[in-house]
Amino acid sequence: VLTQSPATLSLSPGERATLSCRASQSVRGTYLAWYQQKPGQAPRLLMHTASSRATDVPERFRGGGSGTDFTLTISRLEPEDFAVYYCQQYGRSQTFGQGTKVEIK
Amino acid sequence: QVALVQSGAEMTKPGASVKVSCKASGYTFTTYDINWFRQAPGQGLEWMGRISTNTGNTNYAQKFLGRLTLTTDTSTTTAYMEMTSLRFDDTALYFCARDVFIRSSWYPCDYWGQGTLVTVSS
Repeated sequence: VLTQSPATLSLSPGERATLSCRASQSVRGTYLAWYQQKPGQAPRLLMHTASSRATDVPERFRGGGSGTDFTLTISRLEPEDFAVYYCQQYGRSQTFGQGTKVEIK
Repeated sequence: QVALVQSGAEMTKPGASVKVSCKASGYTFTTYDINWFRQAPGQGLEWMGRISTNTGNTNYAQKFLGRLTLTTDTSTTTAYMEMTSLRFDDTALYFCARDVFIRSSWYPCDYWGQGTLVTVSS
């Protein structure tokens, strides 16, 4: 089970966002990904193996953590970053956290 | 360029079945597995299962065993998701996405279909 916090983050453009994802058991192989989803769209892969940015993901997105505790940090929020973010344990089977909504304050 | 294009929205009745397609292009189809996910209105993402496009082997999430069948047609580079005995709470946006196990490591879903809305209504 993956538990994300907070459920909602209300911030202004230019601010820093820190999202948390906690696993009930150690994530094998650090197979932890982060996705961004906007309304009516498919998820977009941001990070894999906890801290590796996917193709074309801006450097303001940074992932970290290991074992059971992981974070996604957005250093300075751009208008297009306001969305829902999911962490995912992937591999042979997959589970998602319940999501964190980053909304404009 | 890589693309996964899904079939159109479906409206169906409780107890019926639905079959959604996912047409892949822009890459070698049998190199990547195809996963299926769903997202109920206003809810999070749920993994349903995976099919190896190379071997046809499948891996289903426990809650869908017996109701879900994943298949592929390599001649048309298309994957299919069929679910039977539909219930009202199966109403959701269904996605396909590709992932891969390469050099002894998994790589997560990097390309997704646009989603297919399945509505179960009487």
